[in-house]
This record gives sequence, C-alpha cells and structure tokens, in this order.
Amino acid sequence: SQTIHQWPATLVQPVGSPLSLECTVEGTSNPNLYWYRQAAGRGLQLLFYSVGIGQISSEVPQNLSASRPQDRQFILSSKKLLLSDSGFYLCACQHSKNYGYTFGSGTRLTVV
Amino acid sequence: LAKTTQPISMDSYEGQEVNITCSHNNIATNDYITWYQQFPSQGPRFIIQGYKTKVTNEVASLFIPADRKSSTLSLPRVSLSDTAVYYCPEYGGATNKLIFGTGTLLAVQP
Repeated sequence: SQTIHQWPATLVQPVGSPLSLECTVEGTSNPNLYWYRQAAGRGLQLLFYSVGIGQISSEVPQNLSASRPQDRQFILSSKKLLLSDSGFYLCACQHSKNYGYTFGSGTRLTVV
Repeated sequence: LAKTTQPISMDSYEGQEVNITCSHNNIATNDYITWYQQFPSQGPRFIIQGYKTKVTNEVASLFIPADRKSSTLSLPRVSLSDTAVYYCPEYGGATNKLIFGTGTLLAVQP
C-alpha cells in the first residue's frame, strides 16, 4: 500500500515570503499525484494534479505553482505568499483509476 | 463540474447504525463510487468503494442502487470515535481527479 510523507506539519510564514511544501510517495510507482487545499470548516479544493514527471495541471488560477521533478515527488511552491494562501494543504496519490486515494497528513499553513 | 450532494450534518448516539446518503446525478458509466472519512487536522482516509449493489468491509457497508444515481454509506454501531466528516467525492472527467464537496459532519454522542 502507498504511504505519503508530507512536511512540515505546521508552518507560519509572513506575507510576501516564498513557500515550498514537499510530498513524497512510497509503495507505488507512476502514481497520479494531487495537491488539495482545505479552508477552515470547508471541503477540499483541488489545486494541482500530475499524471507523470513534469506534467502538471492547474485547477484554479492562483498564487501557487506545482512541480514533479521525480516520479514520487510533488512540490507546491509560491514566490510570494498572500494572506489568502492560508489553509490546510494536503497531498494525495492514486495508484490507478478506481483505486482509492491515499492522503498525506497535511500541512497547516498560516500566512501572517 | 457538478459535485455530489449529501447532508451537511447528522447526529447519532453510540451503538446506533448510521446511514449517510449521497446523490451522484452526474456519475460516469465507468466510475466507481468512493467514500472517505476525515478527522480534524488529518487527511481524508479512504473507507470503501463500489460499483453497484452492496459492498462490505471491516469498517462499513456501501449500498448502490441499479441506476447508480445515489449511494448509502452504512456505519454499524457507531462509537464516539466515528465522529468525523464523511465525503462521497465524484471523479471529474478522464483524469481521475476527485472533486470533493463539503461532506457530512457526523456527530456521535454518548
């Protein structure tokens, strides 16, 4: 079964600072990878997904970007954080269609 | 993209059976129906999936009618630790991406 490592667990960053969140996957190869964001008390919003190395699709226009430099590594970045970037960021992977997603433990980002 | 529809919240007591229903009005022919559980400050956890009829595992049962326009997650004899948000996301097109709604907050009381 797949395992997702996501860090850090919590992060407090000032407005205008850069961001880099990393997610790595174990136990599978060539997975689909996803970044979600969850605002307090809300559902999950899909931000980016990737079906392979270097292949990134963005779901919503925003201040964030994603990269997949290796098969089992997915990175979420920002050059300059906004207050509205605060939230709970979750990385997920899927082995293949119609398999359940495995989620990481998430990063709680607070932009101050 | 249309999302699934489910109740915002439900209340129950320990030991009761809980049934949460989700509408899948736009489900694609080849898509499975999946359910997830999320505790506060944790990532969602995959619970169960099915295509049609009934599926049962050690955690829950999933009932899917023949038309597949809805599904019902059944949790037998809930305990306080089953208090969580339950999601029935929908696949968004050919890319396998899951579209989550706001889920159902299940509150189990003693």
